[in-house]
Amino acid sequence: GAGVSQSPSNKVTEKGKDVELRCDPISGHTALYWYRQSLGQGLEFLIYFQGNSAPDKSGLPSDRFSAERTGGSVSTLTIQRTQQEDSAVYLCASSLLASSGNTIYFGEGSWLTVV
Amino acid sequence: KQEVTQIPAALSVPEGENLVLNCSFTDSAIYNLQWFRQDPGKGLTSLLLIQSSQREQTSGRLNASLDKSSGRSTLYIAASQPGDSATYLCAVDKAAGNKLTFGGGTRVLVKP
Repeated sequence: GAGVSQSPSNKVTEKGKDVELRCDPISGHTALYWYRQSLGQGLEFLIYFQGNSAPDKSGLPSDRFSAERTGGSVSTLTIQRTQQEDSAVYLCASSLLASSGNTIYFGEGSWLTVV
Repeated sequence: KQEVTQIPAALSVPEGENLVLNCSFTDSAIYNLQWFRQDPGKGLTSLLLIQSSQREQTSGRLNASLDKSSGRSTLYIAASQPGDSATYLCAVDKAAGNKLTFGGGTRVLVKP
């Protein structure tokens, strides 16, 4: 497809389990971002990847969160030992370059519920 | 730390009225400011991007202004339509990398 694709669209998991969320960016986009949207915190930056550079992980809320991007394309966000406060929509986005003026395109998100 | 505020949090207008959405930010050292639209259960769609050197951007019925020195941006939507009902978010980019700080959004309802 032409847009940013995320899977799963919905995930319910038990507290303490690990989850993986997947993002397929727009083909040719070198920059990939993960954001989190929750009721209490609004939209927050988590991490971004730009080409082969080291990712900017400054927004990850704890060491239970990690992300990788294989082959400069698909990315996986992993949350270990999930907690109820991790319940949120995880939004992936991509842009041609990670520089000012480049339009950013968002996927529809992965809705995570931790019970 | 950059903080972005959007007031009001919700707005309801009759069809045909002009919409005025406000965004304020605390740190004027930004590269750009962006306005997004979010429909329920969906991702964000970029509407307008204003570079820090610009004062406004226009696209169709949408016009966004930027006053960097006072830390404010306004999104105007002319002749509102029911299809404009959505949540509108503004975001600022401090480091030119689309590492955005978002406001809390304004939820708009345009009544037919």
